[in-house]
Amino acid sequence: QVRLQQWGAGLLKPSETLSLTCAVSGGSFSGYHWNWIRQSPGKGLEWIGEINHRGSTSYNPSLKSRVAISILTPRSQFSLSLYSVTGDDTAIYYCARAQGAVVASAYFAPWGQGTLVTVSS
Amino acid sequence: QSVLTQPPSVSGAPGQRVIISCTGSSSTTGAGQDVHWYQQLAGKAPTLLIYKNSQRPSGVPDRFSGSKSGTSASLAITGLQTDDEGQYHCQSYDSDLGTSVFGGGTKLTVL
Repeated sequence: QVRLQQWGAGLLKPSETLSLTCAVSGGSFSGYHWNWIRQSPGKGLEWIGEINHRGSTSYNPSLKSRVAISILTPRSQFSLSLYSVTGDDTAIYYCARAQGAVVASAYFAPWGQGTLVTVSS
Repeated sequence: QSVLTQPPSVSGAPGQRVIISCTGSSSTTGAGQDVHWYQQLAGKAPTLLIYKNSQRPSGVPDRFSGSKSGTSASLAITGLQTDDEGQYHCQSYDSDLGTSVFGGGTKLTVL
């Protein structure tokens, strides 16, 4: 059974870079799209972006100028970098595998356990 | 403000049936995009509950069912149990934005 385990720094100051890593175990890394999703306090979920096993990426236009997702081969890991963070970036960040034949019908399972990232001076 | 609209909260007594709605637009549910549902228990990550409007992953009880018509989708939960308390999120795809989008989430309280 596929499991996603994530980690990274939980407390940042404004203007710093958020860095998180997600490790995939128990299943294939190839053939899937790997995603980052965040949940701000008291708000809904927001899709950040994705990467496939070949390294092709797609990002939410609202974050595209500040985000980068990359693969850390050969260890079946992928990472999220979010630059120049502000208080609005305070959220729980999740990694997740996308399923579905095409991007437009993609759904997410499983999810990582989540990492709370707080941005405060 | 979320692209998909859900009621902030719903409630029901044990054993009752509740329905959670998810309303989109011409670029999401109205464009024929599939709707997926997630359950998020307190302090936990979301888990897939319904995919492609009405399909249940293995292990999800048939008390949970989904449907979609036009720009709206619904999640029905029958035989409510106290363990069902939590947040429920719908998700679809926005063809104008080119991104997956979520509803604001609905908090289910079992009275």
